[in-house]
Amino acid sequence: ELKVEQNPLFLSMQEGKNYTIYCNYSTTSDRLYWYRQDPGKSLESLFVLLSNGAVKQEGRLMASLDTKARLSTLHITAAVHDLSATYFCAVDDIGPAGGTSYGKLTFGQGTILTVHP
Amino acid sequence: NAGVTQTPKFQVLKTGQSMTLQCAQDMNHEYMSWYRQDPGMGLRLIHYSVGAGITDQGEVPNGYNVSRSTTEDFPLRLLSAAPSQTSVYFCASSRTGLSGNTIYFGEGSWLTVV
Repeated sequence: ELKVEQNPLFLSMQEGKNYTIYCNYSTTSDRLYWYRQDPGKSLESLFVLLSNGAVKQEGRLMASLDTKARLSTLHITAAVHDLSATYFCAVDDIGPAGGTSYGKLTFGQGTILTVHP
Repeated sequence: NAGVTQTPKFQVLKTGQSMTLQCAQDMNHEYMSWYRQDPGMGLRLIHYSVGAGITDQGEVPNGYNVSRSTTEDFPLRLLSAAPSQTSVYFCASSRTGLSGNTIYFGEGSWLTVV
């Protein structure tokens, strides 16, 4: 059974600080997603990471994937209040070296991020 | 372009009642799935479909039925609602992608079973 674990589950940050959310998973998949969710809203796609060593950046967020370590990170640079949300990683269990994705995701528990002035 | 549309957005059911959550997508995606979201547990896969006429169980299928008679629609049926099915339900769709694919989520359906 595929397991996905995020840490920390709760993160309180000051504006301007940097921090990293970690996502560990138990399979050899090389396809990982990061989502953002605001309260009462749906999931917003942030990043799709498709291979070992993949790194993607958008604004103050940068995601990376290490398939050998079965670890993905979401790094937040110089946090601002607008980044306050819940962040999920999700793994698509298609095995190593590619394969067809059917959109069957296993999610982490989510990290609730609060950015304070 | 509507994307993934779910109805209803909010529903209150009594224990033992049945109902159907509707999901429709207009992107001609092959793959559709249903997830439930409970506090502190992330989203969990209930059922999924890889095309019209083909469905399979996910992690938490008990108490739910699905069918996929068309590419566009993927309804989720609660056969006899229980309080444990109080949750937020999300429908998602995507298309085949060896080079990666974006998975689109609906707006969610908030279900309370009393």
